[in-house]
Amino acid sequence: EVQLVQSGAEVKKPGESLKISCKGSGYSFTSYWIGWVRQMPGKGLEWMGIIYPGDSDTRYSPSFQGQVTISADKSISTAYLQWSSLKASDTAMYYCARLEGIAVAGHFDYWGQGTLVTVSS
Amino acid sequence: QSALTQPASVSGSPGQSITISCTGTSSDIGAYNYVSWYQQHPGKAPKLMIYDVSNRPSGVSNRFSASKSGNTASLTISGVQAEDEADYYCSSYTTSSTLVFGGGTKLTVL
Repeated sequence: EVQLVQSGAEVKKPGESLKISCKGSGYSFTSYWIGWVRQMPGKGLEWMGIIYPGDSDTRYSPSFQGQVTISADKSISTAYLQWSSLKASDTAMYYCARLEGIAVAGHFDYWGQGTLVTVSS
Repeated sequence: QSALTQPASVSGSPGQSITISCTGTSSDIGAYNYVSWYQQHPGKAPKLMIYDVSNRPSGVSNRFSASKSGNTASLTISGVQAEDEADYYCSSYTTSSTLVFGGGTKLTVL
């Protein structure tokens, strides 16, 4: 059974750093792109970027380029999303999802349960 | 990259058919047959309902169908049921090699 299990909720202060994780199981982790999707409170889905764990090829949405870093450790089948300096506007639910299909043109067929990040002073 | 345009809300009575539109441009929906639709219930992760314009993943009810014409994609739910009440999002691959989502549509079953 394909599963993506994300790390738990985080409460941080502005300016702090953070790295959240997404562990894949039940499939060949290095053979599928993993994406990150943001959902701000009461708002819609936003595509942040994707990574191919096999070779760490990474693509970012222009809206998120330079704002976050996506990485992966294929030895432990885990993808990461990290911030070096959080802002209050980073408060959101973050989902990881597996991309099926032709690379970036694919569709997200399996999703993690989400990680709620709250940034508040 | 601007979000795809969806109506904020649609509604229908049980048993009726409803259609949700998703309008993009020649740089996304109009350029490729890589349109997907996701269903999201409150407090839950999104679920893939349609991929590559009109394909249903295994396990998704055949009451869900979708199509595309030009720069607009559409999701139709036939025989709407109470359990279909949720938010629906379209997404498309773009000529910038990125993915873009629609703003989401809240389906209310009356």
